[in-house]
Amino acid sequence: QKEVEQNSGPLSVPEGAIASLNCTYSDRGSQSFFWYRQYSGKSPELIMSIYSNGDKEDGRFTAQLNKASQYVSLLIRDSQPSDSATYLCAVNPEYGNKLVFGAGTILRVKS
Amino acid sequence: NAGVTQTPKFRILKIGQSMTLQCTQDMNHNYMYWYRQDPGMGLKLIYYSVGAGITDKGEVPNGYNVSRSTTEDFPLRLELAAPSQTSVYFCASSYSLLELNNEQFFGPGTRLTVL
Repeated sequence: QKEVEQNSGPLSVPEGAIASLNCTYSDRGSQSFFWYRQYSGKSPELIMSIYSNGDKEDGRFTAQLNKASQYVSLLIRDSQPSDSATYLCAVNPEYGNKLVFGAGTILRVKS
Repeated sequence: NAGVTQTPKFRILKIGQSMTLQCTQDMNHNYMYWYRQDPGMGLKLIYYSVGAGITDKGEVPNGYNVSRSTTEDFPLRLELAAPSQTSVYFCASSYSLLELNNEQFFGPGTRLTVL
């Protein structure tokens, strides 16, 4: 069983719309959660981290965490063509000092 | 700060050859990691280190070896290259995953092809 699951996409949204990216994880004791953005041919870069249930907002990005449902999401408001990338969800398991990554969701923002 | 640097950027190996992928960070981070990323896939952890002299296996360690003699350097060794090791390799570092608001910083990657 995969530990971190993401829909591979591609998710296509028009410019200016809200993009919603979802991630589920299997380790109920997981403590910290991260969203990385990866442009084609480039290395991942962190865009959001979240540790507590609820929402965390940073500019156009909002991360949402629901530990009871083992679900974390990323909302991108006012999507721009420059947001087109692969978004990787990463989870820190309860007894680990390393991250487990999902396979990523490809986002395409069409102008 | 250069951050995390990796060499080489690209390499083509023949089956059975050996090579070392270099990784250096100048942020005084304790934790360092090696990942591989196959096309359309996420990152798979190969090895990691929590400090100089300490290394541990990740999810896919077979066919690889690492060492950590200094805080800055974390080389990855392929002893007998196989086509299954064709991938993009990323090195990353972090101060500590136990610190809030911490993140892993990634190097630019090494694209390796084994023919």
